[in-house]
Amino acid sequence: QKEVEQDPGPLSVPEGAIVSLNCTYSNSAFQYFMWYRQYSRKGPELLMYTYSSGNKEDGRFTAQVDKSSKYISLFIRDSQPSDSATYLCAMSAPGDKIIFGKGTRLHILP
Amino acid sequence: EAQVTQNPRYLITVTGKKLTVTCSQNMNHEYMSWYRQDPGLGLRQIYYSMNVEVTDKGDVPEGYKVSRKEKRNFPLILESPSPNQTSLYFCASSLQENSPLHFGNGTRLTVT
Repeated sequence: QKEVEQDPGPLSVPEGAIVSLNCTYSNSAFQYFMWYRQYSRKGPELLMYTYSSGNKEDGRFTAQVDKSSKYISLFIRDSQPSDSATYLCAMSAPGDKIIFGKGTRLHILP
Repeated sequence: EAQVTQNPRYLITVTGKKLTVTCSQNMNHEYMSWYRQDPGLGLRQIYYSMNVEVTDKGDVPEGYKVSRKEKRNFPLILESPSPNQTSLYFCASSLQENSPLHFGNGTRLTVT
């Protein structure tokens, strides 16, 4: 079983819809959870950073961590064409390196 | 502006011709790392550095070298590039190993 699993997509949704992106993981030691957004021809940029379980909201974005299910989610409300990008989940255990998912390509259709 | 700067952005070279990709960060970060990104394989770590003069192998170090003589710079060296090193390369830095990473904008390398 891979440490971090992420559906590659592509995921196409109409503008204004709620988008749900997800990752599962196998290592119960993971405590730090991140979402990165990567536009074409650019480096990944940090979108959300959470520690342990729970929810975190930032504008239209909500990150959710369910450690009991080893499942993390990123929700995008009122999706915009500018949200079209690849989204990478990432996580790490204390004192250990960050492990990335392979990314989900998201297309928001105008 | 806080940033990680990689150069060059695009590079085409031939097999066996040594090359260096430079990386510099202005955030006084201790941790720096190199990744390659390939379709279907995601980001794979090549080498990382916890601090000056401290470097270690990542998941795919074969064919690569790095050095960390100064805190801000972390060049990636390909002594004898081969076509299987054709990829998109990213340099990244962070305060410490499991802190969120700041990425450069990438170097697209083609080896013919």
